[in-house]
Amino acid sequence: LAKTTQPISMDSYEGQEVNITCSHNNIATNDYITWYQQFPSQGPRFIIQGYKTKVTNEVASLFIPADRKSSTLSLPRVSLSDTAVYYCLVFSGGYNKLIFGAGTRLAVHP
Amino acid sequence: NAGVTQTPKFQVLKTGQSMTLQCAQDMNHNSMYWYRQDPGMGLRLIYYSASEGTTDKGEVPNGYNVSRLNKREFSLRLESAAPSQTSVYFCASGGDGTGGIRYNEQFFGPGTRLTVL
Repeated sequence: LAKTTQPISMDSYEGQEVNITCSHNNIATNDYITWYQQFPSQGPRFIIQGYKTKVTNEVASLFIPADRKSSTLSLPRVSLSDTAVYYCLVFSGGYNKLIFGAGTRLAVHP
Repeated sequence: NAGVTQTPKFQVLKTGQSMTLQCAQDMNHNSMYWYRQDPGMGLRLIYYSASEGTTDKGEVPNGYNVSRLNKREFSLRLESAAPSQTSVYFCASGGDGTGGIRYNEQFFGPGTRLTVL
């Protein structure tokens, strides 16, 4: 089971781009990289998922280098409403492998 | 389309009391899950159900029982509550790649905040 390491917290200001990097040195060939977002007093919400290279959707971009030992979640032009905890998960869909970790607490300031 | 609903939203129990947390989903997902989240920590899987009629233990099953009543409903029961079970409980569904949804994309309910005194 691949373990992930990400910063405990980050601070940013409105309008800036935020990049959160996750390290997963032991990622397996079949593993996907998935990011969730959790607002205070709510359940987590799926943001984005990728296997290699770059994935972009309406919320974020996910950059994955060729060795797949790390990944970077990029949030363009953040606003106050992006203040949340962001979780990086690496797993291949087995139910008992869903481990969230402590995540990265992002605080966006005016 | 309500997604995943949970009842109750808040509950206070005394040590030794029992209660059942209810969860229902209207997205026709096969898989359902129960997690707990302690303050400042990530979620931990308690039990999951891959389909109606099947349940399996997750990372922290001790002190809990579950019932997959039908495809829509998955309940979590605390038979004898302990202070260590004070937590926020989340129910989720999906994530198994069936029905057009992605693997690993689970849909979460709003949570039940449980305090055991």
